[in-house]
Amino acid sequence: NAGVTQTPKFQVLKTGQSMTLQCAQDMNHEYMSWYRQDPGMGLRLIHYSVGAGITDQGEVPNGYNVSRSTTEDFPLRLLSAAPSQTSVYFCASSYGRRSYNEQFFGPGTRLTVL
Amino acid sequence: AQKVTQAQTEISVVEKEDVTLDCVYETRDTTYYLFWYKQPPSGELVFLIRRNSFDEQNEISGRYSWNFQKSTSSFNFTITASQVVDSAVYFCALSGDGGATNKLIFGTGTLLAVQP
Repeated sequence: NAGVTQTPKFQVLKTGQSMTLQCAQDMNHEYMSWYRQDPGMGLRLIHYSVGAGITDQGEVPNGYNVSRSTTEDFPLRLLSAAPSQTSVYFCASSYGRRSYNEQFFGPGTRLTVL
Repeated sequence: AQKVTQAQTEISVVEKEDVTLDCVYETRDTTYYLFWYKQPPSGELVFLIRRNSFDEQNEISGRYSWNFQKSTSSFNFTITASQVVDSAVYFCALSGDGGATNKLIFGTGTLLAVQP
């Protein structure tokens, strides 16, 4: 199993550009989520999905879109990048949607918006 | 509102010292789960432990131990005889929603530096 994979590892964007951060898992996990990590702020939940076709907002959803067309993939779209979106982005998945399930994190994507 | 506080931003110790990382949480849920994750310099997040709100037993795993006290809403993490490889950022996290979903609320992390 590859676990949770994220691409790209690094990305530099100009303000106003759009892009998609890819996330895939091969563990047949029901629950997937996106977090961003900023210095001094820990990780904050952007969006999450409890299954294919179901998504919901987390703590900091503005400026991001997600979709879940398959169990395996959960891409995060930046519609019009802003410098405030400079961050490290982590995708995570867990077997079930209940809060006792351990979440497995991907290696992260470091995004810089100029 | 749910919240996790890790008041210690940075801790520096010398190898073989014991060190305790503090975690205080706030929640109105009666069912919740607490987690500790390690983030080494390479950047990935490594799961260390999960504890549910009904189990206040302390846990020991090798040099690591965890002390969960509902009375003080704390879930502290102690490393005994620290090693340089323990140098990392450590995050405490809370999973709530009454157990309905797996949304994690993270603390701001504690950077532990173990000097040789």
